[in-house]
Amino acid sequence: AQTVTQSQPEMSVQEAETVTLSCTYDTSESDYYLFWYKQPPSRQMILVIRQEAYKQQNATENRFSVNFQKAAKSFSLKISDSQLGDAAMYFCAYRSYNSGGSNYKLTFGKGTLLTVNP
Amino acid sequence: GAGVSQSPRYKVAKRGQDVALRCDPISGHVSLFWYQQALGQGPEFLTYFQNEAQLDKSGLPSDRFFAERPEGSVSTLKIQRTQQEDSAVYLCASSLSWSGAYGYTFGSGTRLTVV
Repeated sequence: AQTVTQSQPEMSVQEAETVTLSCTYDTSESDYYLFWYKQPPSRQMILVIRQEAYKQQNATENRFSVNFQKAAKSFSLKISDSQLGDAAMYFCAYRSYNSGGSNYKLTFGKGTLLTVNP
Repeated sequence: GAGVSQSPRYKVAKRGQDVALRCDPISGHVSLFWYQQALGQGPEFLTYFQNEAQLDKSGLPSDRFFAERPEGSVSTLKIQRTQQEDSAVYLCASSLSWSGAYGYTFGSGTRLTVV
């Protein structure tokens, strides 16, 4: 079974600065998907960024980028030019590449609470 | 609708009471998932539907939990004889594709408190 570990329960950053959130995972599969989701107090999980394991290029979405190290099974999220609206819980998630109902579920880490200081 | 809608937003149940939580996914979304999120934890998978077929229910914690999606759109998660350990946020997510490889759209969840 796959596991996802987020070793930083809380992080803080000054507005306009850069912060990196860590995520490691354990899997025996060679192909898979990795996601970062943001959960504000409204509770709705919002997709931030997605990475396909078979792609070597790190995914980027505006101020959000990842550092994907497949051999190390590491998937960190970098937020540049942090804004007050970035404050939320951030979850790293894993999804198998294989077909079949049970493979479509997301396995989440425990999350990192990000505070942005003005 | 524009997003995944869940109701009620909050539910307080007395221990032993039955509850029903509703999820209205985005119109046309094939896949639907239910997750349970305990306080301070990440969401954990409960069950998965592809249209009206429940293809995976391996995450349901006991036979007191039951989910259905009879017409392939709205889904209901039912918990019978609620217990305190059932207190959590229940999240619903849907995807246009059957595989959800591009991610899912989540609702805002139902916070269930069992007293």
